[in-house]
Amino acid sequence: GAVVSQHPSWVICKSGTSVKIECRSLDFQATTMFWYRQFPKQSLMLMATSNEGSKATYEQGVEKDKFLINHASLTLSTLTVTSAHPEDSSFYICSASDRLNYGYTFGSGTRLTVV
Amino acid sequence: AQSVTQLDSHVSVSEGTPVLLRCNYSSSYSPSLFWYVQHPNKGLQLLLKYTSAATLVKGINGFEAEFKKSETSFHLTKPSAHMSDAAEYFCVVSDPGGYNKLIFGAGTRLAVHP
Repeated sequence: GAVVSQHPSWVICKSGTSVKIECRSLDFQATTMFWYRQFPKQSLMLMATSNEGSKATYEQGVEKDKFLINHASLTLSTLTVTSAHPEDSSFYICSASDRLNYGYTFGSGTRLTVV
Repeated sequence: AQSVTQLDSHVSVSEGTPVLLRCNYSSSYSPSLFWYVQHPNKGLQLLLKYTSAATLVKGINGFEAEFKKSETSFHLTKPSAHMSDAAEYFCVVSDPGGYNKLIFGAGTRLAVHP
């Protein structure tokens, strides 16, 4: 079945630094990728939607200059948290959509802790 | 606009008893509906999906859900709970007007007691 690899699974960084999270579709072409943020014991909040080769579409309230999303190929999307602060600490999850088969596959998530 | 409401934030059952997790949806279109399960600090696993085919959808691990248009419901059931079913469950609807992005319910935490 479809597999999405998300790395790293966890990361600790110092306040003010930037962190990049990768999301790769291993055996299918991800025409669309989604990035979510999940706070403890809460649901997933969609941050942005990206289509290969075009700019990401951000949800209302999400700072596009802080959360940089790149979807340069049909198998790779990256989320960069720039100038991270403790309030950015969260669980980030990507999802890749294969429109041909109308499926959504989720990565295993990245636990970001900013100290 | 599409939305989902999970009617119970917590459900607790005994091992071997039936599971019912309730979900109601609101959609301007013929909806695509999903149930996902999330174990602690893990990603999401698809249990089942409804995409306008059979109204009774069978999923993995013995779960199934029935799409009832008249009640705008998509409840998740399992005849007999197992300890490994303890997790967070999300009812999800897709929004065809927004790159088919997924809209998540608030989640239901299922506890299974011996």
